[in-house]
Amino acid sequence: SAVISQKPSRDICQRGTSLTIQCQVDSQVTMMFWYRQQPGQSLTLIATANQGSEATYESGFVIDKFPISRPNLTFSTLTVSNMSPEDSSIYLCSVQQTGDYGYTFGSGTRLTVV
Amino acid sequence: EDQVTQSPEALRLQEGESSSLNCSYTVSGLRGLFWYRQDPGKGPEFLFTLYSAGEEKEKERLKATLTKKESFLHITAPKPEDSATYLCAAKSGGDMRFGAGTRLTVKP
Repeated sequence: SAVISQKPSRDICQRGTSLTIQCQVDSQVTMMFWYRQQPGQSLTLIATANQGSEATYESGFVIDKFPISRPNLTFSTLTVSNMSPEDSSIYLCSVQQTGDYGYTFGSGTRLTVV
Repeated sequence: EDQVTQSPEALRLQEGESSSLNCSYTVSGLRGLFWYRQDPGKGPEFLFTLYSAGEEKEKERLKATLTKKESFLHITAPKPEDSATYLCAAKSGGDMRFGAGTRLTVKP
């Protein structure tokens, strides 16, 4: 299965600033998924990123707050903009596994906004 | 609305004490039921995919089963290194919906 490198692994940020999270995959993939995992809660899909097209956002998430780039088939970034303490969470990128509907996940970015 | 519910939220076992984790789902057109293990500070690690009722899969001390309404993750003679949060997810159409997880602690 694919190997995903995600960085940073954690960060503490001031409110009102932005943080960009990077995900690098060791193979070419069509779709990359960005999730948020709040403490004690399930993973929530933020958006699906396809190379060469605009990301598709889930209900409750907007491009101005979570802009996504997908410049090629192995890389994507998620930016958390104008952060507030409510954005404190773990952010995860993932890709679908070959030959299976399961997903492979990056190691996650633990974001704390103060 | 599609839903995935896991129980219990937390489970504490003694080493060697077998038990089961439950995942109840209501999705239309299930395309797969997935189990993941998540260690603190890490992303979920894929364990199993189950596609149809009656299917079973095993890996070391773990065995996953699937019915039309729920899935079980059976842990036989667990060890402290099995301590983690176990997530299940159901996929229908293009949507993967996750449960909140069961936090398992195995005491030596």
